Amino acid sequence: GESVGLHLPTLSVQEGDNSIINCAYSNSASDYFIWYKQESGKGPQFIIDIRSNMDKRQGQRVTVLLNKTVKHLSLQIAATQPGDSAVYFCAEKDAGGTSYGKLTFGQGTILTVHP
Amino acid sequence: KAGVTQTPRYLIKTRGQQVTLSCSPISGHRSVSWYQQTPGQGLQFLFEYFSETQRNKGNFPGRFSGRQFSNSRSEMNVSTLELGDSALYLCASSSYELNTEAFFGQGTRLTVV
Repeated sequence: GESVGLHLPTLSVQEGDNSIINCAYSNSASDYFIWYKQESGKGPQFIIDIRSNMDKRQGQRVTVLLNKTVKHLSLQIAATQPGDSAVYFCAEKDAGGTSYGKLTFGQGTILTVHP
Repeated sequence: KAGVTQTPRYLIKTRGQQVTLSCSPISGHRSVSWYQQTPGQGLQFLFEYFSETQRNKGNFPGRFSGRQFSNSRSEMNVSTLELGDSALYLCASSSYELNTEAFFGQGTRLTVV
């Protein structure tokens, strides 16, 4: 039979609004978290990262919040622009010694920004 | 600095054939990881190579294999292709020594018919 595709969460905002994209992670041992942006036809592009010893990190127009108690990560985009329209993925990396570069990705959220 | 380069960008193969995909990491990066991206399963880790050694492997059948060369370039091979192998295959490079994030290439879009 046919495989069922992932039903990605979607977020639709107006240009200039602030956007918040959420992500729940499952591995308590994860010590490093990254947000990626993926535009159509391209590979994921790094946005911002945060280590588990922090609960907030700010970049240019973006802020990542980490709540280890409930294993939740969020990405806030200020003054969202049409060029921000893309699929956004959170990724986690295990602190385990053999994990090296292995990333576990969330399902992704589709962000659509209307002019 | 050049980014991660994957070749070819697009590929169409027939069931039962095999395919080899190539990835050139960012200069100086010695860690290369491969991911499969499909609408049904999302982004899934295939394997990772560092210093020509496979350091980690995802939950994929033995038909999926890879290797890394002394110049850090990596190839992945899929044998006996199945329709379900149709996907975007992404390569990411990082510097383990510098503890950088993973930088992704644009991927190879494989279609199995």
